[in-house]
Amino acid sequence: GAGVSQSPSNKVTEKGKDVELRCDPISGHTALYWYRQSLGQGLEFLIYFQGNSAPDKSGLPSDRFSAERTGGSVSTLTIQRTQQEDSAVYLCASSAAGTGQETQYFGPGTRLLVL
Amino acid sequence: GESVGLHLPTLSVQEGDNSIINCAYSNSASDYFIWYKQESGKGPQFIIDIRSNMDKRQGQRVTVLLNKTVKHLSLQIAATQPGDSAVYFCAANMDTGRRALTFGSGTRLQVQP
Repeated sequence: GAGVSQSPSNKVTEKGKDVELRCDPISGHTALYWYRQSLGQGLEFLIYFQGNSAPDKSGLPSDRFSAERTGGSVSTLTIQRTQQEDSAVYLCASSAAGTGQETQYFGPGTRLLVL
Repeated sequence: GESVGLHLPTLSVQEGDNSIINCAYSNSASDYFIWYKQESGKGPQFIIDIRSNMDKRQGQRVTVLLNKTVKHLSLQIAATQPGDSAVYFCAANMDTGRRALTFGSGTRLQVQP
């Protein structure tokens, strides 16, 4: 079946503008994760959704970042008033049950450049 | 805070040789570990995982070794091929209250023909 998909693949925006990044997880996966990867770095956890539970937002770097997951499937990560330091690759992953002991499958990422 | 770290930022090997990529973690409560391969412009791709009740697991040309005593994890790639050239990340579930993974900074594997 299809893997995790993300859109757009690339996004260039001006400082101060808002952006929305979309993630379509693997069908049937109940857990969805957002990570951020700066150039040449590892992945930094942002937010985690599991079923209908309240999301784990502990990784969001500021209140300019927010995310939604509608209908337990598609998720949108929103960055308001973008700053240059927000430039990074934003990666979405999904897993079957969110147990913490299972494989997370990643999408190709959205490359965000804030000018 | 808790961390996961790789020992070498870059590893260069000859085609056909075996590669060993090392990783250390800090949280003795971590019970799930995973290796990802990331090629340029792509998302991380699952290679192999291991739970803390095991010390070795083998896949196709890859082996993961877990030493819980010294909190060390390694990935061995047999008969390394040019297609293995990528950045390799280890990750662990560092915080039992959080389901997300904590990633190391990655080791770039360069395979010389």
